[in-house]
Amino acid sequence: RKEVEQDPGPFNVPEGATVAFNCTYSNSASQSFFWYRQDCRKEPKLLMSVYSSGNEDGRFTAQLNRASQYISLLIRDSKLSDSATYLCVVNPPGGGNKLTFGTGTQLKVEL
Amino acid sequence: ETGVTQSPTHLIKTRGQQVTLRCSSQSGHNTVSWYQQALGQGPQFIFQYYREEENGRGNFPPRFSGLQFPNYSSELNVNALELDDSALYLCASSSRQGSTANSPLHFGNGTRLTVT
Repeated sequence: RKEVEQDPGPFNVPEGATVAFNCTYSNSASQSFFWYRQDCRKEPKLLMSVYSSGNEDGRFTAQLNRASQYISLLIRDSKLSDSATYLCVVNPPGGGNKLTFGTGTQLKVEL
Repeated sequence: ETGVTQSPTHLIKTRGQQVTLRCSSQSGHNTVSWYQQALGQGPQFIFQYYREEENGRGNFPPRFSGLQFPNYSSELNVNALELDDSALYLCASSSRQGSTANSPLHFGNGTRLTVT
């Protein structure tokens, strides 16, 4: 079983749609969780951290379910500029930023 | 504030050769991590450097080695290159405070290595 699993997509959605990405992780002792965004042939950039209580940043909502070892990202009112690959990222036990990345989910927002 | 910079941007090498990739960390950051990203995959952790010493290593063979310098910049060296080493190599810096606390990672633009 992979340490971090994501559906690779692609998810093709119309502009204005709501889209949700899911991710599961295998190590229940993992410390912290993130979503990174990666544009084609660019470096990953931190989108948001993920907390058990759920957190929101504008159109983006992230949720963590430690019991199910499940992380989600919801994007509301999708924009063309949201087209990218979204990487689910886990900081393993002990932290230290030796991050484990999923393979990424590709999102294409269309007119 | 200066971001993470990597050089070179692109590199083509032949199987069996050696390569050195360079990274300057973001101003104020004292920890550097290296990742390998193959096409269609997420980044894979290679190793991390803190205070000029290796501070954790992923599942990579010893022919992958590194250095960190007093100014926190870093090098990644790969010996005896193999075709499967073709990938985007990403450097990321962060600020470590205390035993494990770290600020979020900031990535450089990466070096795209092609091994033929």
